[in-house]
Amino acid sequence: DQQVKQNSPSLSVQEGRISILNCDYTNSMFDYFLWYKKYPAEGPTFLISISSIKDKNEDGRFTVFLNKSAKHLSLHIVPSQPGDSAVYFCAASGFSGGYNKLIFGAGTRLAVHP
Amino acid sequence: DTGVSQNPRHKITKRGQNVTFRCDPISEHNRLYWYRQTLGQGPEFLTYFQNEAQLEKSRLLSDRFSAERPKGSFSTLEIQRTEQGDSAMYLCASSSYSAGTGNTDTQYFGPGTRLTVL
Repeated sequence: DQQVKQNSPSLSVQEGRISILNCDYTNSMFDYFLWYKKYPAEGPTFLISISSIKDKNEDGRFTVFLNKSAKHLSLHIVPSQPGDSAVYFCAASGFSGGYNKLIFGAGTRLAVHP
Repeated sequence: DTGVSQNPRHKITKRGQNVTFRCDPISEHNRLYWYRQTLGQGPEFLTYFQNEAQLEKSRLLSDRFSAERPKGSFSTLEIQRTEQGDSAMYLCASSSYSAGTGNTDTQYFGPGTRLTVL
């Protein structure tokens, strides 16, 4: 039962263009969403988050959009740089019992070509 | 802020042996999480501590697995009688929770311990 889905296992983008990574979720109780970036042999690095009370959050080149009615979020990277090449994980959590645990998607491998 | 550290980074063991991993969270963080990641998948939640109290365990955490956080600082994850299916990356994360932040405490991950069971 995959509650968080990243349907594109890979994405290839030219340097300077926009990268759009997508994520869908099924559990309507999720109310906090995060994106992590992971390089090989390293742990996930926090990138950006969004609460369900917002529909957009921006941090530099990174913007996350949340569409609650569609249970869909996306990460936009503009402009894309070769150093952005990594695996990107979408994660979700929902307040329950006073704690949270992250439910991750399977990841999307982004390759940014010069 | 030195970040979350994990030791060892790599562990190779034979089936049936016991292994123990250590996680040192960011110093002021009161929450500590363990996750497991296998190839091609995202991390999967195993267990969670708030200070020294273990508040939840996933059904993925069989009785061969035990985790402790004795003084609310570092944590250990022990796997007894390892099986080949235990081969994975074991990730630790920590966060700083307060009632005012609700559930929006961001989890910061360590580099992981890669376990290979032969």
